[in-house]
Amino acid sequence: DAKTTQPNSMESNEEEPVHLPCNHSTISGTDYIHWYRQLPSQGPEYVIHGLTSNVNNRMASLAIAEDRKSSTLILHRATLRDAAVYYCILRVGMEYGNKLVFGAGTILRVKS
Amino acid sequence: EAGVAQSPRYKIIEKRQSVAFWCNPISGHATLYWYQQILGQGPKLLIQFQNNGVVDDSQLPKDRFSAERLKGVDSTLKIQPAKLEDSAVYLCASSLGGLPSSYEQYFGPGTRLTVT
Repeated sequence: DAKTTQPNSMESNEEEPVHLPCNHSTISGTDYIHWYRQLPSQGPEYVIHGLTSNVNNRMASLAIAEDRKSSTLILHRATLRDAAVYYCILRVGMEYGNKLVFGAGTILRVKS
Repeated sequence: EAGVAQSPRYKIIEKRQSVAFWCNPISGHATLYWYQQILGQGPKLLIQFQNNGVVDDSQLPKDRFSAERLKGVDSTLKIQPAKLEDSAVYLCASSLGGLPSSYEQYFGPGTRLTVT
C-alpha cells in the first residue's frame, strides 16, 4: 500500500489558517488523496479528497502538488472544534477496494 | 439522515471470554467495514463487506475473530476467545460502495472494548 508521511503534531491559534502537510512520494496514478479527521472520542469523519486538481469544500481546501508527491490540507480559520487527529490517506485501487489505510496522523492543537 | 449505529458503546470482559459488537450502516450503503483502533494508532481495517459478501478480510485474525453481514444490511463482529491485546475501539463504517473509489466512508461512534 502506498504510504503517507505526516508530522506527528501541529499547533495553531484560533481564527488563524492552518496548513497540514502530507508527503506521498510513492503515489500511483489512480490513487485518490483523502483526508479524514477524528475528534476526541468519535469515529473518523471525511474532510475532503482529490486526484490531481486543488479542491475546496465547506470544511477545507486541498492543495495538491503538480507531481502529486505531496499535498496540503488547509483550514482557513481554525476553531477550537477543529482540534483533532488529521489523517492523510491514499485510496487504494479503483475496484471495490474502497480501502482506507490509516497512518498515525497529525494531532492538531488549537489555542484560544 | 441517520448515521452509522453501533452497540454497545462500551464493553469490559475478562480474557478468554467472548464478545459481540453490532453495526447498522446508513440505509442504502452497500459496503460495510470493521476497523480496530488501538490507543494512539490510526484505525486498521479488519474486514470489508460488499452487500453480504466478504471483499477483504486479510487482516482479520480468523482464529478468534469472525464477522457476518446477513441480508446485506447490519453486521456483527465477534471475538472468541478475547485476549488482552484485543483491547481497542472497534469502528464500523459504511459507504455507497462500488466505483468510483472516491466514495467517502461514514464512521460510527465505535465500541470501546477493555479486556482484563
